Amino acid sequence: QLLLQESGPGLVKPSETLSLTCTVSGGSVNSGLYYWDWIRQPPGKGLSWVGTIYYSGSTYYNPSLKRRVTISVDTSKNRFSLQLTSVTAADTGLYFCARHPRYSNSGFDYWGQGALVTVSA
Amino acid sequence: DIQMTQSPSSLSGSVGDRVTITCRASHGIKNDLGWYQQKPGKAPKRLIYAASSLQTGVPSRFSGSGSGTEFTLTITGLQPEDFAAYYCVQHNSYPLTFGGGTKVEMK
Repeated sequence: QLLLQESGPGLVKPSETLSLTCTVSGGSVNSGLYYWDWIRQPPGKGLSWVGTIYYSGSTYYNPSLKRRVTISVDTSKNRFSLQLTSVTAADTGLYFCARHPRYSNSGFDYWGQGALVTVSA
Repeated sequence: DIQMTQSPSSLSGSVGDRVTITCRASHGIKNDLGWYQQKPGKAPKRLIYAASSLQTGVPSRFSGSGSGTEFTLTITGLQPEDFAAYYCVQHNSYPLTFGGGTKVEMK
């Protein structure tokens, strides 16, 4: 059974960098069959795709965040990470990691439970 | 970028009702669309993938249809556990985009 678990600080100061890690168990981020994703949700609002990484390091980012976001993968530790710089209160919310297959259109099949990040001084 | 317009944003229903939620894509996305259910504070749960394929373990009262630009999620016989938020998402091309969501509330 694949498990994804987000971890990182729950409180970040404005203008600083949000950093989250998604640790994968029961599967490998080194698999060429899947992409690995970050999705977020402001309080009381809808879901928004942040970005995606492939095991090779290829990335795709939401254009609205592109200047501030970096997603990286550490295959030796079977995890991938999100960094979002210059955060504001608008970056407050639940951050989910997820997975979607490369060779099918079945979408996000596994999700982490989510990590709540609050941006506040 | 492909915009996903989901409607309605909310609806009220009673147990046993048939409810329909629609997503329209700004460009054709073939059948590269999924439907997700989300309860407060929880991760979304996939209901439908490839527009009309039912996720294993999901009750058959959920069904999806459509292709190209128009997609529908139908719940036939609303159950108490179905009161939740529902989202569509296209994964035809980057950036991946979600519909705005539909909150299904009890009448």
